Amino acid sequence: GAVVSQHPSWVICKSGTSVKIECRSLDFQATTMFWYRQFPKQSLMLMATSNEGSKATYEQGVEKDKFLINHASLTLSTLTVTSAHPEDSSFYICSAPTSGRAVETQYFGPGTRLLVL
Amino acid sequence: KQEVTQIPAALSVPEGENLVLNCSFTDSAIYNLQWFRQDPGKGLTSLLLIQSSQREQTSGRLNASLDKSSGRSTLYIAASQPGDSATYLCAVSLWGYGGSQGNLIFGKGTKLSVKP
Repeated sequence: GAVVSQHPSWVICKSGTSVKIECRSLDFQATTMFWYRQFPKQSLMLMATSNEGSKATYEQGVEKDKFLINHASLTLSTLTVTSAHPEDSSFYICSAPTSGRAVETQYFGPGTRLLVL
Repeated sequence: KQEVTQIPAALSVPEGENLVLNCSFTDSAIYNLQWFRQDPGKGLTSLLLIQSSQREQTSGRLNASLDKSSGRSTLYIAASQPGDSATYLCAVSLWGYGGSQGNLIFGKGTKLSVKP
C-alpha cells in the first residue's frame, strides 16, 4: 500500500525555538496533505490542510503564523512550529489521501512526538 | 458540528474472546467511515473503510458495520489475540473532493487489552 513518512519521529527542544516536521508521500503524489495533532488521551484533531502550490487552510483556533505549512512539491509538506512553548508538546501526524483507486483512502505517517521544555 | 464518540474508552478481555467496539456520530451525512488501529507512540493503520452506501466490510477476523441513519458503527473482532492490543479509532469523513476523501473527524478511541 501507499507509504507516508515523517521526520523526525521524536524531537525535544527548548522553549522559544522552532521545529520543522517533514511529511513525505513515498510512492504517490499528494496535492493535499492533512496535519493533525493529538494531545494525551484526546482524539486526533485536524490542524490544517496543506495544498501543493497554494496556501494552507487552517482550522478554527489554529494560529497560522505559529504553525507554518509549506507544500512545495507533490510529495512533501512541512510543518514548522515557530517559537515553540511547552503547551505545543503533542503528537503531530500527517496524512495524504490517494486518488484514482477503487476505494480512496487516506494514509497516515508514523507521527512526530514533540516535547518542548 | 460532527462529533464522534467511542464506547467503551477501555476494554480488557481474555485471549480468544469475541468483542465489539462501538462508534457513534451525530451527523448522518457522512462520506465514509473508517476504523484505524494505533499502537502506542505510533501512527495509524487503516483497518476497514466503509463507504456511506455500504452496510459492512470484512477483513480477516474483523467486521465493521455501518448504520448511517442511526449514526452508528461497530467493529467486531473475532477470536481476539494479544497482538490485537492497541487503541482502535473510528473516524468519519464528511465530504470528498476530486474523488478522494477529505479530512477525518476522529473519536477518542477504545484502548483494547487482550490478556494471554
